Order: sequence, then C-alpha cells, then structure tokens
Amino acid sequence: GAGVSQSPRYKVAKRGQDVALRCDPISGHVSLFWYQQALGQGPEFLTYFQNEAQLDKSGLPSDRFFAERPEGSVSTLKIQRTQQEDSAVYLCASSVTSGGANEQFFGPGTRLTVL
Amino acid sequence: KQEVTQIPAALSVPEGENLVLNCSFTDSAIYNLQWFRQDPGKGLTSLLLIQSSQREQTSGRLNASLDKSSGRSTLYIAASQPGDSATYLCAVIDYNTDKLIFGTGTRLQVFP
Repeated sequence: GAGVSQSPRYKVAKRGQDVALRCDPISGHVSLFWYQQALGQGPEFLTYFQNEAQLDKSGLPSDRFFAERPEGSVSTLKIQRTQQEDSAVYLCASSVTSGGANEQFFGPGTRLTVL
Repeated sequence: KQEVTQIPAALSVPEGENLVLNCSFTDSAIYNLQWFRQDPGKGLTSLLLIQSSQREQTSGRLNASLDKSSGRSTLYIAASQPGDSATYLCAVIDYNTDKLIFGTGTRLQVFP
C-alpha cells in the first residue's frame, strides 16, 4: 500500500474485554514499531520488530499486552482484560530497514476507549 | 534515560508571523532527530529528519536545526498560515536503540 494502515480506527471496549489492533506496514519495510499515546502526551514506545523477530518489548506496560508479527509483515497488538488506563491512541510505524538513521512512517492510529 | 522537552507547550499567533518551536534533549548520543506534525484525531506526519551529522534541514517554509552538543533543535516556520495549526512533536532516536523518544509537543494555532 501507499502508507501504513491500521484497523480498526476506533475501538470501544468494556473493562475486562480482550482487544486486537492490526497494523499493515508499508510493503517491504523491515522494521515495525508500536507506540501508545495518552491524551495530551507524546507517543511512548511499546515494542519493536525486525521482520518477524520482536527485538525490544521493554515498553509494554504489563503482561496483558502482547504483540506479534508472525510473517514479518502485518502485526497485531493484543491487550487482554482491558483496563481504563489502557485508553489511548495506539500508533504503528514502519521503516525501510533497521538502524536508527531511518525515518519512521506512521499510521493513523487506533483510538481505544475502555469503559 | 533520554528525556525530550518542548517549549512552548502552546502557541497562538496571527497569520503571517515567523515562528520558532524549541526542542531539547538530555543525552546527546542520538542517531537522528525527527519533527512531526499531528492534526487532531490523526496520526503523525513526518516533516523533517535531521541526521546526527547534519546541522539543519529545510522543506518549503520549514527549517529545522540541530545542535547535538547542546541537546537542542529548533523548528522555524516562516510566514505562518492557518493551515499550519496542529501539534508539532519532536523525537530523537537514541544511539543504541531504534525507538523514537518524543517530547510532549507544541500545540500551534494560527488565526486569520
């Protein structure tokens, strides 16, 4: 595709429900990142994939958060037993290869609201 | 731990003014610095990427400078327009990681 896409764009969940957020990176991009953006704040890093390998998950806030990228393209961020503090915009980004010199391109985000 | 700060938090100016947005970071060991624009309810649009070896980058009415040794970057917007109204975020990539570390942004409003 032309850019990074994410689905759904909006998700409302009742507390305790499980949710799955999808990211389609730019075709051929090796690196994929997930970020969490709380209202009025800058995005914060959650996890990073290089192809199918999850190289860094240091930003995941709890073991309720799980991310995968099994075939090195599409990625899914899963949140189990959602809590109100999980309400945020979840942003996905991709870059053409690994290495900190590469520009990251962002998707539109998924706005999660936990009631 | 790298920390990124943006000043001011909010700015409201009349159309036509030249603007300077400031970004500072605590650890000068960075790969690059990126400026983004975020419109309400939208994702991030990359504006400028400055590699650590560079001093500045320009795109149209935008110019971003980087002084790595002092931990500072500025985004200069010339002849501001109402369409420039958005939140501007700066982010750095630490030398040993690939993740972006963001500031909290400057919310800009340009009124006619």
